[in-house]
Amino acid sequence: QVQLQESGPGLVKPSETLSLTCTVSGGSMSSYYWSWIRQAPGKGLEWIGYIYYSGGTSYNASLESRVTISVDTSKNQFSLKLSSVTAADTAVYYCARDTVNHRGFDYWGQGTLVTVFS
Amino acid sequence: QSALTQPASVSGSPGQSITISCTGASSDVGNYNLVSWYQQHPGKAPKLMIYEVTKRPSGISNRFSGSKSGNAASLTISGLQAEDEADYYCCSYAGRTTVVFGGGTKLTVL
Repeated sequence: QVQLQESGPGLVKPSETLSLTCTVSGGSMSSYYWSWIRQAPGKGLEWIGYIYYSGGTSYNASLESRVTISVDTSKNQFSLKLSSVTAADTAVYYCARDTVNHRGFDYWGQGTLVTVFS
Repeated sequence: QSALTQPASVSGSPGQSITISCTGASSDVGNYNLVSWYQQHPGKAPKLMIYEVTKRPSGISNRFSGSKSGNAASLTISGLQAEDEADYYCCSYAGRTTVVFGGGTKLTVL
């Protein structure tokens, strides 16, 4: 059974960089897209970006200038960096798996709350 | 990428059927049969309920069904049960390895 687990600081100061890691267990990262998705308190889901297991990336245009997603298949991990954060970036951040033909996000992490707070 | 449009809320009584709409554009919903639907209970991660417009993952009840016409997709839940009360989100592939979510619909079982 594939499992995803987010980890990283729960508090980030404004203007700093948010950094999260997703650890994948119970399966290989090969031949899948791996994604970060966030949900602000009381709001809907917002797709942040994808990384393919081989390293190709794509990002939400509204966040592209501040987002970097990377992968380390040797550790079965992928990571998110979001720079110059503001209070608007406060959200639960989920990592999730999508298939190569984008059928849908079939496995999700439990989510981790990141609060931007000075 | 504009968010897909969903009604903010729908409701129904146990045993009834409800339908949640998801309206996009010719660049996303209308151009790809890659619409998925997610159920999210409070404090929980979303759960895949429908993929590729009409398909159900293993273990998902056949009370859940999906369809699409033009730029709009729909999720129908038949035989409503109390445990179906949750938020539901649609999602569509939008080309160039991007996806877009709907704003979400809160389902209340009366």
